[in-house]
Amino acid sequence: EVELVESGGGLVQPGGSLRLSCAASGFTFNSYSMTWVRQAPGKGLERVSYISSTRSTIYYADSVRGRFTISRDNAKNSLYLQMDSLRAEDTAVYYCARGLLGYGLYYFDYWGQGTLVTVSS
Amino acid sequence: QSALTQPASVSGSPGQSITISCTGTSSDVGSYNLVSWYQQHPGKAPKLMIYEASKRPSGVSDRFSGSKSGTTASLTISGLQAEDEADYYCCSYAGSSTLVFGGGTRLTVL
Repeated sequence: EVELVESGGGLVQPGGSLRLSCAASGFTFNSYSMTWVRQAPGKGLERVSYISSTRSTIYYADSVRGRFTISRDNAKNSLYLQMDSLRAEDTAVYYCARGLLGYGLYYFDYWGQGTLVTVSS
Repeated sequence: QSALTQPASVSGSPGQSITISCTGTSSDVGSYNLVSWYQQHPGKAPKLMIYEASKRPSGVSDRFSGSKSGTTASLTISGLQAEDEADYYCCSYAGSSTLVFGGGTRLTVL
């Protein structure tokens, strides 16, 4: 059974940093692209960052480029999101999501339960 | 790029059919068949219901169908059931490796 479990969220002051992790199991992690998607409280979805299966291709939303860094460790079946210079508008539930095989840039077929990041003083 | 436009809410009675629209532009929905729909129950993660505008992932009920015409994509749910009550989001590729989501539609089953 495919499982994605995020961790690392919490309360952080503006300008601070957090590192999110996503532990994957139940599938061949190194065969799939992965994506971080966030949802601000009561709002819609926003793709934050994408990483291909081999780490050769990485994309960021304009809203986080230069502040967030996505990475993965295929040996540990894990996905990460390093978030620096956090702003109040980064407050959201952050989901890790698996890319649909062959369409990983466009569609996400499994999602974690999400981890809440709150940026506030 | 701007968010795709969805109605804020739709409703229907059990057994009925409803359609949720998702209007984009010639830069996203109108240019690519790369449209998807996600269902999200309160407090839960989104679930992929439709991809490539009209394809259903394995395990998704055939009561859910998708279509696209021009710059508007649509999700139709037939034989409405109480468990279908949720938020629905459309999503489209918008070129240059970007994705754009709709604002979401709250479906109420009366």
